[in-house]
Amino acid sequence: DIQMTQSPSTLSASVGDRVTITCRASQSISSWLVWYQQKPGKAPKVLINKASILESGVPSRFSGSESGTEFTLTISSLQPDDFATYYCQQYSSYPLTFGGGTKVEIK
Amino acid sequence: EVQLVESGGGLVQPGGSLRLSCAASGFIFSSHWMHWVRQAPGKGLVWVSRINRDGTTTTYADSVKGRFAISRDNAKNALYLQMNSLRVEDTAVYYCARDRHPTSVNNWFDPWGQGTLVTVSS
Repeated sequence: DIQMTQSPSTLSASVGDRVTITCRASQSISSWLVWYQQKPGKAPKVLINKASILESGVPSRFSGSESGTEFTLTISSLQPDDFATYYCQQYSSYPLTFGGGTKVEIK
Repeated sequence: EVQLVESGGGLVQPGGSLRLSCAASGFIFSSHWMHWVRQAPGKGLVWVSRINRDGTTTTYADSVKGRFAISRDNAKNALYLQMNSLRVEDTAVYYCARDRHPTSVNNWFDPWGQGTLVTVSS
């Protein structure tokens, strides 16, 4: 199984901060990586697919990048609506696997 | 509007059974692979099972293999998860989710349902 190691697990930040979340795959997954945002009591929402493709309707302050097996989600200027938990997920091979999540909290 | 609505969750004793349902609307249900994903309280997301478009191919996570069975009824636009021999560690919110693209091999989940809580406890 492909392991997805996400860091940090918790991040404290202020409105306007630049935030970076990292996800590392245990083997090559090409660009088959998606980022989700989840708020308490809600289902995950897709932000970025294929490592860097912004979903329609998602604010442009969100971006994704990759370097080998390391993937990054960046929020350029954190907004109040962005405080949530973020998950990466590989869809290269089964079983599909998720990172452990990063909770972005208000500093 | 594309929508998935789960039902059937509840409290069950260890060793018991439960059947979850997911009602789909707003898209051609029979064109998409479908999945179940679960999330234990306060924990991360874990893929559980998938089923192909006509219900002839199924795949399971090792943790549920032999105990859970996924199925679908395309005439009713419905997805199911039959859960047997339930364990305390199966306690979670169970989400149904759709493959984003009907024809792609590599796919992610979109949309997701709102989830249904399964609690396994004596």
